[in-house]
Amino acid sequence: AQTVTQSQPEMSVQEAETVTLSCTYDTSESDYYLFWYKQPPSRQMILVIRQEAYKQQNATENRFSVNFQKAAKSFSLKISDSQLGDAAMYFCAYRSPNTGNQFYFGTGTSLTVIP
Amino acid sequence: DSGVTQTPKHLITATGQRVTLRCSPRSGDLSVYWYQQSLDQGLQFLIQYYNGEERAKGNILERFSAQQFPDLHSELNLSSLELGDSALYFCASNIGSGANVLTFGAGSRLTVL
Repeated sequence: AQTVTQSQPEMSVQEAETVTLSCTYDTSESDYYLFWYKQPPSRQMILVIRQEAYKQQNATENRFSVNFQKAAKSFSLKISDSQLGDAAMYFCAYRSPNTGNQFYFGTGTSLTVIP
Repeated sequence: DSGVTQTPKHLITATGQRVTLRCSPRSGDLSVYWYQQSLDQGLQFLIQYYNGEERAKGNILERFSAQQFPDLHSELNLSSLELGDSALYFCASNIGSGANVLTFGAGSRLTVL
């Protein structure tokens, strides 16, 4: 099975600054999808951004962008102009098209935003 | 509101008991996934259904079972509950084959005393 690794259990950032959360994955597939989900204190899982592996262009959603390095199997999330509301647990996820549409999640990174 | 409805939101019960968690997927979605999230832990995949059929099984205990009904809602049954079963149980849905997004419900928080 595919594995997703988030090596930073906790991160912190000053309000208005930029932070990057790391994610690596292990796969032999060439076509797949990658996601970042946010889980705020409410515990609701919210999709932040997604990336198709066949697209070379990095996905961007407002202040959130990714750095997708397919050869390195790396998928980091950059949050610009951090806001207090960005404080949450962030999960990286991999979706395999070849194993019944399965999603594999990392263990999460807890982000603290310092006022 | 994500469109995925889970009930109950909170449930407190005793060891040895049995509970049923219910999930209604987003309109149009055929596939339902169940995940377990213990305190300060990641998401553990339990089971997936697609249009009423079991599609994949993860780390689901034998004491747990699930099904998806013809109207596409799903139920997760947890029996002979233990303290360690206390967790947040998420249901998520998507269209199914070819879909590339999971939409999550708000979760059902189970506390076993």
